[in-house]
Amino acid sequence: EAQVTQNPRYLITVTGKKLTVTCSQNMNHEYMSWYRQDPGLGLRQIYYSMNVEVTDKGDVPEGYKVSRKEKRNFPLILESPSPNQTSLYFCASSVGSFTGEPLHFGNGTRLTVT
Amino acid sequence: LAKTTQPISMDSYEGQEVNITCSHNNIATNDYITWYQQFPSQGPRFIIQGYKTKVTNEVASLFIPADRKSSTLSLPRVSLSDTAVYYCLVGDDTGGFKTIFGAGTRLFVKA
Repeated sequence: EAQVTQNPRYLITVTGKKLTVTCSQNMNHEYMSWYRQDPGLGLRQIYYSMNVEVTDKGDVPEGYKVSRKEKRNFPLILESPSPNQTSLYFCASSVGSFTGEPLHFGNGTRLTVT
Repeated sequence: LAKTTQPISMDSYEGQEVNITCSHNNIATNDYITWYQQFPSQGPRFIIQGYKTKVTNEVASLFIPADRKSSTLSLPRVSLSDTAVYYCLVGDDTGGFKTIFGAGTRLFVKA
């Protein structure tokens, strides 16, 4: 089944403890992206990647890192999480970096930083 | 940046047609307009996409005027299961392939 898989679904951590949220897609998509969703703010893009080893900042990249060493994986790294990064995170992928390509989203990771 | 503006919320009744309009005054020449549907605690799901004029699929219709500064998602005969948040999305005009979602429109369908 074609899908975008995020892990974990739920994560509770403490301020400053490094964490990684994994994202994997099995559709051979070139484009992958991370978003965070907060009440009243919709989805905001954190980072995106147009292909392996090519990443760029979205609208809210501060406090996050990403890497794209393989086409299928696009992990989101929080080196030193803070409470303002408590949010619902979504990973997405699409066939190519052309903006007309529909995005396929994962089921989300709910992160709480205390 | 091609930001979008949508109504925050809308109410409707089962069986009615619902039209949600999105403004995107700074849309770039190469940008497509894409609409997504999101249920609580799930990732958004693609509904429909268009560039100009009208597009129709089995779920919805999308109307885009000639100036492309707005678009209207039309949902025919909504049901309770159409209660969701609907996002209008256009591409970034710098060619960097950012994706900019607006705050979305929360549609509530009543029985």
